[in-house]
Amino acid sequence: EAGVTQSPTHLIKTRGQQATLRCSPISGHTSVYWYQQALGLGLQFLLWYDEGEERNRGNFPPRFSGRQFPNYSSELNVNALELEDSALYLCASSWYGLAGVEQFFGPGTRLTVL
Amino acid sequence: GIQVEQSPPDLILQEGANSTLRCNFSDSVNNLQWFHQNPWGQLINLFYIPSGTKQNGRLSATTVATERYSLLYISSSQTTDSGVYFCAVDSNYQLIWGAGTKLIIKP
Repeated sequence: EAGVTQSPTHLIKTRGQQATLRCSPISGHTSVYWYQQALGLGLQFLLWYDEGEERNRGNFPPRFSGRQFPNYSSELNVNALELEDSALYLCASSWYGLAGVEQFFGPGTRLTVL
Repeated sequence: GIQVEQSPPDLILQEGANSTLRCNFSDSVNNLQWFHQNPWGQLINLFYIPSGTKQNGRLSATTVATERYSLLYISSSQTTDSGVYFCAVDSNYQLIWGAGTKLIIKP
């Protein structure tokens, strides 16, 4: 069974540009979560999508947005990039509707903003 | 909101040693997961353990939900065990993360 996949592996942008990151969940999973991990720090929750809807978002500005497609894949868009957006962006997937869901993670996209 | 604290923050051991990592959480939770993040950033699921004890090879975990803590045991450490170990608890379908324990295993 294929795991969570993310693309691209690495992304280099300049300040002010837009970045688009993609995630494909494990087959059968309907929820996708996005996390940001700055270098040497823990994970910060960004966004949660399920069944095409945004269910919750973390404490991030509106220039962080995304969507979930009918096949449950998801993309994260970061507009007006700032230097501090440089981080590892991790996507996770899970079943929804069950208390205590187990999340499975992709390999991440390392975004560098110059 | 729920607070998750991990200890110790850093741990340096010789190959072959045993270790115990702790995760405390401030409120009742539906679930708790342990992860290992390798040096390349990949998060690997170790245990999904809302309560009780589980074992997987040299690793085992115990969660005492009534006392709001979980322990991860690593026996006979290998250099490949190096990395950061995170615990995360489920709160309203989201994971709340501890700051992690950075483990270095020296050969």
